[in-house]
Amino acid sequence: DARVTQTPRHKVTEMGQEVTMRCQPILGHNTVFWYRQTMMQGLELLAYFRNRAPLDDSGMPKDRFSAEMPDATLATLKIQPSEPRDSAVYFCASGLNNQPQHFGDGTRLSIL
Amino acid sequence: AQSVTQPDIHITVSEGASLELRCNYSYGATPYLFWYVQSPGQGLQLLLKYFSGDTLVQGIKGFEAEFKRSQSSFNLRKPSVHWSDAAEYFCAVVAMEYGNKLVFGAGTILRVKS
Repeated sequence: DARVTQTPRHKVTEMGQEVTMRCQPILGHNTVFWYRQTMMQGLELLAYFRNRAPLDDSGMPKDRFSAEMPDATLATLKIQPSEPRDSAVYFCASGLNNQPQHFGDGTRLSIL
Repeated sequence: AQSVTQPDIHITVSEGASLELRCNYSYGATPYLFWYVQSPGQGLQLLLKYFSGDTLVQGIKGFEAEFKRSQSSFNLRKPSVHWSDAAEYFCAVVAMEYGNKLVFGAGTILRVKS
């Protein structure tokens, strides 16, 4: 089965460090989403791409977060500088047009 | 804006018993509706979806859901729960004018007791 692949699965780092999370969407999918999941806020949409173009990143703190799709096989989410409140599980999902999204297994991020 | 409400944060059922997880949505037109399941340490897996047509939809793992427009509900059901069904369940809605962005409910944690 085709899968969304996220790396790394776990990341522990000190506050102030740069964090880069990567996502390989399912081949042929044209939409990519980044979500953050925390106990307090649940699942929050951070950013959304269609055909590699960012359509909505209103859920993302602009001062420290950035999301890009350098090519159709790679999406990145960067945090610089990281803060303890960024600790969460970050999910990438991909889809084709209006079909259901497929989720990766997430990156569990801990900022000390 | 569309929203999704899952009124039950936790539900505990006995193995073999029936299950119903509630989901209500707020949206003017007919939405696209989904149920996802998340096991600990895993991503979300699609159980079933409703786009149009028959209001009773069948999904994987023996789950089904019924779309009731009059009640703005899309409740998830299973006639006989297995211990492996213990997980967190999320209802989600898409409004197509926003692309296929999902709006998730807060989730319901299902515990299964033997």
